[in-house]
Amino acid sequence: QVQLVESGGGLVKPGGSLRLSCAASGFTFSDYYMSWIRQAPGKGLEWVSYISSSSSYTNYADSVKGRFTISRDNAKNSLYLQMNSLRAEDTAVYYCARGIAAADHFDYWGQGTLVTVSS
Amino acid sequence: SYVLTQPPSVSVAPGKTARITCGGNNIGSKSVHWYQQKPGQAPVLVIYYDSDRPSGIPERFSGSNSGNTATLTISRVEAGDEADYYCQVWDSSSDQGVFGGGTKLTVL
Repeated sequence: QVQLVESGGGLVKPGGSLRLSCAASGFTFSDYYMSWIRQAPGKGLEWVSYISSSSSYTNYADSVKGRFTISRDNAKNSLYLQMNSLRAEDTAVYYCARGIAAADHFDYWGQGTLVTVSS
Repeated sequence: SYVLTQPPSVSVAPGKTARITCGGNNIGSKSVHWYQQKPGQAPVLVIYYDSDRPSGIPERFSGSNSGNTATLTISRVEAGDEADYYCQVWDSSSDQGVFGGGTKLTVL
C-alpha cells in the first residue's frame, strides 16, 4: 500500500534552516510528481511546491520562492524540502503528497510533520 | 493569482443532502478536486476531475462543475462525514496549486 512518511520537523528560530524528508513506499516513486503542502495551526491548506518525476520541473508558492528548495532522490524513494530564512509565518504542519502530474490532484498524503518557527 | 472561495461552514441534518460550493473565475474550465480532512488527520481525496470518486469513497459523494461554481454534494449525510472540506485546482498561468479556504461541515 502507498505510504508517505515525513520527518525532520521541529522548533527553529527565525532566520534558521530546516530540511524535511518524505520517505515513500508501496509504489514506483520515480513515476510520480510530488508536492509539499502545508497547514498553519487552525488554518487551511496551502500548496508549497512541486517537483516532476525526473526533477526536471519544479515550482514554488510565491510565499516561499527563493527560500525553499524541493528535491528528490529516486534511488532512495525520498522527497526533500530545504527551508531557509524561516519566518514565524512558516509555522505549519508540512505534508508531502503524490500527484499524477503537476496540474493535477493529490491522491495520497503523508501524516505530516510540524515545523515551528519561534524565538 | 487564482482565488477559490468556499463558505466557512455548512450545517446539515443526518440523512439529508449537503452541498459545499467552491467559487472561482470560470472554474468550469478547470478540473476541480475535493479533499476531506478530519481533526488531527491528513486530508483524503474524495472527488477528482470534478466528479470522479477514488476507490473506497462512498457513492454518496459526488461533484459537479460549471460556470463559476463547483459543488461537492454529500447525500444521506452521516455523522462520520463531519469534517473540513477543501476544493483544489491547478492554476496553469502560474503553474501553482490553489486550495479554497475550506468549509467546515457540521452534522446536526
